[in-house]
Formats: sequence, C-alpha cells, structure tokens
Amino acid sequence: AQKITQTQPGMFVQEKEAVTLDCTYDTSDQSYGLFWYKQPSSGEMIFLIYQGSYDEQNATEGRYSLNFQKARKSANLVISASQLGDSAMYFCAMREGQRGAQKLVFGQGTRLTINP
Amino acid sequence: DAMVIQNPRYQVTQFGKPVTLSCSQTLNHNVMYWYQQKSSQAPKLLFHYYDKDFNNEADTPDNFQSRRPNTSFCFLDIRSPGLGDAAMYLCATSRDDVGSGGYTFGSGTRLTVV
Repeated sequence: AQKITQTQPGMFVQEKEAVTLDCTYDTSDQSYGLFWYKQPSSGEMIFLIYQGSYDEQNATEGRYSLNFQKARKSANLVISASQLGDSAMYFCAMREGQRGAQKLVFGQGTRLTINP
Repeated sequence: DAMVIQNPRYQVTQFGKPVTLSCSQTLNHNVMYWYQQKSSQAPKLLFHYYDKDFNNEADTPDNFQSRRPNTSFCFLDIRSPGLGDAAMYLCATSRDDVGSGGYTFGSGTRLTVV
C-alpha cells in the first residue's frame, strides 16, 4: 500500500502567488516524521521543512509552512509568495519509528512550475 | 562543512560492464542509504547500512551490491548494468536517532548505460 500520496503530478502558479502542495500519508506508528524536499533539475535533494508526529504546532521555515492535520493524515506544504526559483520537483517523505535505521519513504512528487 | 559527497557526478558505463559509485561523509552518521531515482519518479530505497549491518530491500535486484569499509565511505556496485539501471543514484546519511535532524543527501550520481 502507498505510504505517501501526492495527488498533484504538476502545478502551475503565477509568480508571487501562494501555492499548496498536497501530501497524505498512511502509518500505524505513533512516532513518525514528515519531510518536504525540493529537487531542482540538477538532481540534489534539498531539505525544506520537518514536522514530527508529536509536534503540536505547524512547522514553519521562512516562506515554507507545513499544514499538519494529524487526524486526516495530511501534511501539505504551503509556499508563500512564490518565486521563479521555486520551480522544481517537490517530494513529501515520511520516516517511521524512533530509533535505529529509520527508512525514509517518498511520495511520487509534484512538479511545480512558477510562471512570470 | 560537514557533508555527503558522491563521486562521480556523472558516470557513463557500458552495458554489462561493472561500475562502482562512491559516497563519503564527514558527519560521522552511523546510517548510510542508497536510493535509486529513475526519471520523473520518486527515489526508491535499495539498501542501507546501520553501522556495519547491511540491510537489503526485498525488491532490490541481486545485480546491486554495497560495501561499507568504514564509517565514512559506502560504495554501490552494479555488477552487470542494464539499460534499465540508468538513473540518478542518491546517497544519504542519518544518525540512528533521527528526530528532526533529518537526512543529509549527496548531490547524486547520474548513471548512463550505453
């Protein structure tokens, strides 16, 4: 079964607009973490933001915020005031468990294109 | 700066000719991962090392092997590359109590098979 689901293969947004990228997840663990990564065409995986399952407040990092709805098992990424440089592939990912080698599982990604 | 370095950045290999990709880290993380990412797809975990313990994913082909001679280095060996093995290969590291510390990724090696 798919553990991380990103339902938007592609998104097109005008520069300076806010954009929400959807992510839902499936786990039976109580302790887990949710990550968002940006992958430009060069291929490196750039960490954006993290939300722990026990964190009560939504995570924020600059223009990035994570809309965490635990009961719905969703962890949407919100990018405010989008810029041309935000055009990239975006991956939602989840790690399960607390200790040991905790594997990171990725969603299928959303390709975001910012139009001038 | 502490980091994860993958060499080479681009690798072209011949069909069936063994190839080795390398990953080194200065973070002293005890877990190292290898992911395969084909074009327009999600990264897929091939295997990971937890210290010296090797952990293979159930669906990783036997054609893929890995070695970790010490904490800093990890190698991905593809014994007989096929055209379907052309992909970006990403190395990542983490501590065993990841928490919010997360994972550190290398820049990847883009493998072409001709």
